[in-house]
Amino acid sequence: GAGVSQSPSNKVTEKGKDVELRCDPISGHTALYWYRQSLGQGLEFLIYFQGNSAPDKSGLPSDRFSAERTGGSVSTLTIQRTQQEDSAVYLCASSLKTGGYNEQFFGPGTRLTVL
Amino acid sequence: GDSVTQMEGPVTLSEEAFLTINCTYTATGYPSLFWYVQYPGEGLQLLLKATKADDKGSNKGFEATYRKETTSFHLEKGSVQVSDSAVYFCALSDQWDGTASKLTFGTGTRLQVTL
Repeated sequence: GAGVSQSPSNKVTEKGKDVELRCDPISGHTALYWYRQSLGQGLEFLIYFQGNSAPDKSGLPSDRFSAERTGGSVSTLTIQRTQQEDSAVYLCASSLKTGGYNEQFFGPGTRLTVL
Repeated sequence: GDSVTQMEGPVTLSEEAFLTINCTYTATGYPSLFWYVQYPGEGLQLLLKATKADDKGSNKGFEATYRKETTSFHLEKGSVQVSDSAVYFCALSDQWDGTASKLTFGTGTRLQVTL
């Protein structure tokens, strides 16, 4: 079956613009996670969804970042008024259900470059 | 809060050499422990996991044992191959807290295997 997909694969934007990143989880996976991978910070957790609800948004770095999930499937991560420090690879993962022992399957990521 | 510390890279080995990548963790509960691997140009993949103390995870000749007394989860392989060249990430997830299934990652260790 299909794995986790993300689009776009690469995004170059100008400082101050808004961007939307999309994640399509594995069909039937109820949990969806967003992470960020950057040179300075390594791999950081941003937010996760159980169904359409987001019980843990603790990793969102500022109120410029938001995410939603609809229909228990596709999720969109939105970054408003992008800054150069937002440049990173944004990774999405899904798992069958929450719980630390459930394997998270990762997508290929979206590389965001803010000029 | 939770944290994972892994040895700095890069690690350069000759083919058939023995590999150890050290990983130690700090967690408030009883975490599950993981090693993820990122091959060049590819996404993160789960390599192995262990969900309780003294468990040994193994896959593709790699193994790691969950040591609660030393809070460690060191990755080992008896004979590395060129195809093992990748970045390896140690990670934990707090299983005891049903809302906290995010992964906390170490900084990653780059392994380069040469002929």
